[in-house]
Amino acid sequence: SAVISQKPSRDICQRGTSLTIQCQVDSQVTMMFWYRQQPGQSLTLIATANQGSEATYESGFVIDKFPISRPNLTFSTLTVSNLSPEDSSIYLCSGYITGELFFGEGSRLTVL
Amino acid sequence: DAKTTQPPSMDCAEGRAANLPCNHSTISGNEYVYWYRQIHSQGPQYIIHGLKNNETNEMASLIITEDRKSSTLILPHATLRDTAVYYCIVRVATIIGSARQLTFGSGTQLTVLP
Repeated sequence: SAVISQKPSRDICQRGTSLTIQCQVDSQVTMMFWYRQQPGQSLTLIATANQGSEATYESGFVIDKFPISRPNLTFSTLTVSNLSPEDSSIYLCSGYITGELFFGEGSRLTVL
Repeated sequence: DAKTTQPPSMDCAEGRAANLPCNHSTISGNEYVYWYRQIHSQGPQYIIHGLKNNETNEMASLIITEDRKSSTLILPHATLRDTAVYYCIVRVATIIGSARQLTFGSGTQLTVLP
């Protein structure tokens, strides 16, 4: 099965700083998705990332806060900017491979 | 995508079959039923999906009612490692180039008891 790797797996950051999460897929995927999972909650889609175009953001998420890069078909980054304690969550990337949606293991962010 | 309703939690004895129900009464004719699970601190894992016929793979069986308004995921011999949140999701099939995101509900917390 496909492997989706995320880095860092966890981090602790100070308020006001930014964190960039990397997502590497072991095969080419057309669309990648970034999700957020707040403590004790289900997954919420942040944005859809296509190669060569701007990401499409869901309601409640904006590019200035969550800039996304998608330089090629196997890689994407999500930056969480101007961190506040409310941003403490698990961030997951995902992509369709052979028709099914696979997820990375998530990046657990704690903001102090 | 159609909305789904699942019980918030269920228990199952180890070695027994775990039957997880899902209601999706507003499902459309072109929507599939997908099941994912999320073991604590891990990313969601695909289990199985189906349109209207029952499906079986190495992990589970999926039973979809004839009217397609509900389905049941069956783990035939639950183990402690099957303890997880199970998500039932309905959505249209993936079309290359227009793949869509999955919308996750609250899921069912399955606890397998020794």
